[in-house]
Amino acid sequence: KAGVTQTPRYLIKTRGQQVTLSCSPISGHRSVSWYQQTPGQGLQFLFEYFSETQRNKGNFPGRFSGRQFSNSRSEMNVSTLELGDSALYLCASSPTPLAGTYQETQYFGPGTRLLVL
Amino acid sequence: LAKTTQPISMDSYEGQEVNITCSHNNIATNDYITWYQQFPSQGPRFIIQGYKTKVTNEVASLFIPADRKSSTLSLPRVSLSDTAVYYCLVASTGGAGSYQLTFGKGTKLSVIP
Repeated sequence: KAGVTQTPRYLIKTRGQQVTLSCSPISGHRSVSWYQQTPGQGLQFLFEYFSETQRNKGNFPGRFSGRQFSNSRSEMNVSTLELGDSALYLCASSPTPLAGTYQETQYFGPGTRLLVL
Repeated sequence: LAKTTQPISMDSYEGQEVNITCSHNNIATNDYITWYQQFPSQGPRFIIQGYKTKVTNEVASLFIPADRKSSTLSLPRVSLSDTAVYYCLVASTGGAGSYQLTFGKGTKLSVIP
């Protein structure tokens, strides 16, 4: 099976612009989650989508949004970019929804590295 | 919200057993602990998951004491290819089916020949 793919892999934007990142999950996986990884804050959960519905959201401002399509592919959008949004954005897919209890293994993609100038 | 603390870095010689501990205060009885491994330019990769006592798979063991204030990832006989950053994740159940995911800041393991 092909793994999780993310496009683009690298992106340079300037402050105030917006950006859209794409994630294609493993075939058959219906849950897609997004994470932000920075040297200072580490890995932080952004949100999870399952069957085109956002199930949970981390503590990020409304500038961060996402959506999921009927084929389970997901996009993440960041509007009005700030310097602090420079990060590695990771998506992960899972066959079943995430939970606070036992959960199916999440499979991460290689990430999109975003640099905001 | 659980808070997790891990050592920033660790060094080990090849062939030794490595234990990486993650401290997590006020986690609930059913909160799960998961460990991930991450190599440069790659996304994290699942290693092991559990919520009490001991879990073992083909690559690692996870020990969680009765007070559940910490968990220890044990890697038997490490090799150079185990050089990576290791993250613990606490998954907590919230109200109405919600959950919270809290990652540790990661432990950079360097395996020395």
